[in-house]
Amino acid sequence: QVLLVQSGSELKKPGASVKVSCKASGYTLTNNALIWVRQAPEQGLECVGRIDTNTGDPTYAQGFTGRFVFSLDTSVNTAYLQITSLKAEDTAVYYCARFSNSWYYAIDYWGQGTLVTVSS
Amino acid sequence: QSVLTQPPSVSAAPGQKVTISCSGSSSNIGNYYVSWYQQLPGTAPKLLIYEDNKRPSGIPDRFSGSKSGTSATLGITGLQTGDEADYYCGTWDSNLSPSVFGTGTKVTVL
Repeated sequence: QVLLVQSGSELKKPGASVKVSCKASGYTLTNNALIWVRQAPEQGLECVGRIDTNTGDPTYAQGFTGRFVFSLDTSVNTAYLQITSLKAEDTAVYYCARFSNSWYYAIDYWGQGTLVTVSS
Repeated sequence: QSVLTQPPSVSAAPGQKVTISCSGSSSNIGNYYVSWYQQLPGTAPKLLIYEDNKRPSGIPDRFSGSKSGTSATLGITGLQTGDEADYYCGTWDSNLSPSVFGTGTKVTVL
């Protein structure tokens, strides 16, 4: 079955960097575009951006350019989200999720989420 | 800063019906299919409705979706305590980020 398994919680100091992994199983990562979603504490879902896993071409949402970087390692079927120069307001759960190839604009599988806490 | 507006909360007694609205514009709902996601407390979102009104296998027909113009609606009939969750609409936007989500609606079963 399709699974997206993310790396564990992270506690970082302001100014540091973090890299969240998202390992796909049950399908080949390059077959479906991937989206990264942020959910701040007690807040709603917010799109960080999307990556075309076939070409590696990223599209970042407004407000997520510069410090947020998507990458892939197709040899291990894994996607990554790196956030640099962390700020307290980056504290959130970050989800990776897969766009369906069968249903327009639908996100059919989600990772379990990775809590990133930024605190001094 | 979501471009899709939902009511913050709706509630009803067990067995009753609730509807959740999702209001957007021509750059999103007006021109793209809408999905709905259920997020149970402490868990990742789950796809409930895709392409405005279709249900993935395993989703009960108590959940329904519709769309008219630049607004979409999620309906839940026969409300159960297990339906208590946050619900989000989502779609594409031609002007903004690759995907946009609604502000979210908390469903409470009284």
